[in-house]
Amino acid sequence: QSALTQPASVSGSPGQSITISCTGTSSDVGGYNYVSWYQQHPGKAPKLMIYDVNDRPSGVSNRFSGSKSGNTASLTISGLQAEDEADYYCSTYTSSSNNVVFGGGTKLTVL
Amino acid sequence: QVQLQESGPGLVKPSQTLSLTCAVSGGSISSGVYYWSWIRQHPGKGLEWIGYIYYSGSTYYNPSLKSRLTISVDTSKNQFSLKMTSVTAADTALYYCARGYDTSGYYGANWFDPWGQGTLVTVSS
Repeated sequence: QSALTQPASVSGSPGQSITISCTGTSSDVGGYNYVSWYQQHPGKAPKLMIYDVNDRPSGVSNRFSGSKSGNTASLTISGLQAEDEADYYCSTYTSSSNNVVFGGGTKLTVL
Repeated sequence: QVQLQESGPGLVKPSQTLSLTCAVSGGSISSGVYYWSWIRQHPGKGLEWIGYIYYSGSTYYNPSLKSRLTISVDTSKNQFSLKMTSVTAADTALYYCARGYDTSGYYGANWFDPWGQGTLVTVSS
């Protein structure tokens, strides 16, 4: 069982916006502004999309944004495109075991 | 730009030692303040952090795997390695190496970029 809880799947139509949640505790998501998000297409390595809750690496589309409220972090993708269909994972530092934890992943389907 | 490439046996027998290497190109492994990391993904499952080595040589391991792990760095070859002893079928996974960065300057790496393409390790007799 993953330390961070994500919905197993979300879906949306092209052009719409979707939000993926990542719920933890005060020892991880709620306690630190270090949530990151990764996109993984089938057969490919994960790609960093968001770090430190809401910062985007160079080259990542501004359609991707992150936020946090209490113990829940969120990844929002606006103007959905077919190429956004992938698995998404959240991650953060946890003080409970002084290491890194990942969410179980969310499969995004673009209808 | 920095690129990482994993290599190692794709098949390991139960109770033996899994050994993987990650070659770093496009930058020096001993420059910067990075955490050279290993992360794995069981078939069809999510990601699991294994551990990392700081550029200074300090190591940090997932507590659930710590007793079986050694991560080391070879600066002369610009690569770092993972050794996992006493493997079982539960260690069958896709193993990734990645470069970690610590935004806090205190807690250790909290995001990873870039990642290698991954290497599949199967534990079977």
